[in-house]
Amino acid sequence: EIVLTQSPGTLSLSPGERATLYCRASQSFYSSYLVWYQQKPGQAPRLLIYGASNRATGIPDRFSGSGSGTDFILTISRLEPEDSAVYYCQQFGDSPMCSFGQGTKLEIK
Amino acid sequence: EVQLAEFGGGLVQPGGSLRLSCVASGFTFSSHWMSWVRQAPGKGLEWVANTKQDGGGKYSVDSVKGRFTISRDNAKNSLYLQMSSLRAEDTAVYYCARLQVVPAGTAYNYYYLDVWGKGTTVTVSS
Repeated sequence: EIVLTQSPGTLSLSPGERATLYCRASQSFYSSYLVWYQQKPGQAPRLLIYGASNRATGIPDRFSGSGSGTDFILTISRLEPEDSAVYYCQQFGDSPMCSFGQGTKLEIK
Repeated sequence: EVQLAEFGGGLVQPGGSLRLSCVASGFTFSSHWMSWVRQAPGKGLEWVANTKQDGGGKYSVDSVKGRFTISRDNAKNSLYLQMSSLRAEDTAVYYCARLQVVPAGTAYNYYYLDVWGKGTTVTVSS
């Protein structure tokens, strides 16, 4: 079973800054199996990035993903107030089974 | 418009049963894997189960094995989650989601949940 650990737990930044969110896996898997989601309060999750680095349809290019093996990163540049949310990574290394990280809460001051 | 809508949540006593439904519209339901994901109050996302396009392949998280069954009726564009022997820890919002499985090259696929319903709330309490 692959376990994903996200860090930091909470991130507090100002508009215009850059956010770097980490997702570390307990064992290595191919990068095509790593996904990022954004969830705002009271809403369903929204797909951001698949295959570690591919933006989903309609996602601004301020959002970018990178990484391989066990270490993956979601970067959000030029933060806007609307980016306040919880961000989750998900792995399909055990495909078709999967698991989520515990989430990183991003606060925009 | 591509949409998923969940139904069937509610209050149920510990040990009881409940069946959730998810109705799909705006896409060819029978061509897609489908998933259930849940979120306990104030907690993170937890994958529950996946099913293949024809319903022949079913996969679930260990904590629900033997208690929850995922199924689908492609003629009705519907996905189901039959839940039994419910426990307090099954209390959550249950989301239905479309699982995309797309070739990423010759040897690997992309997997991702690209369409989500709004969720239905299940509360297990006496």
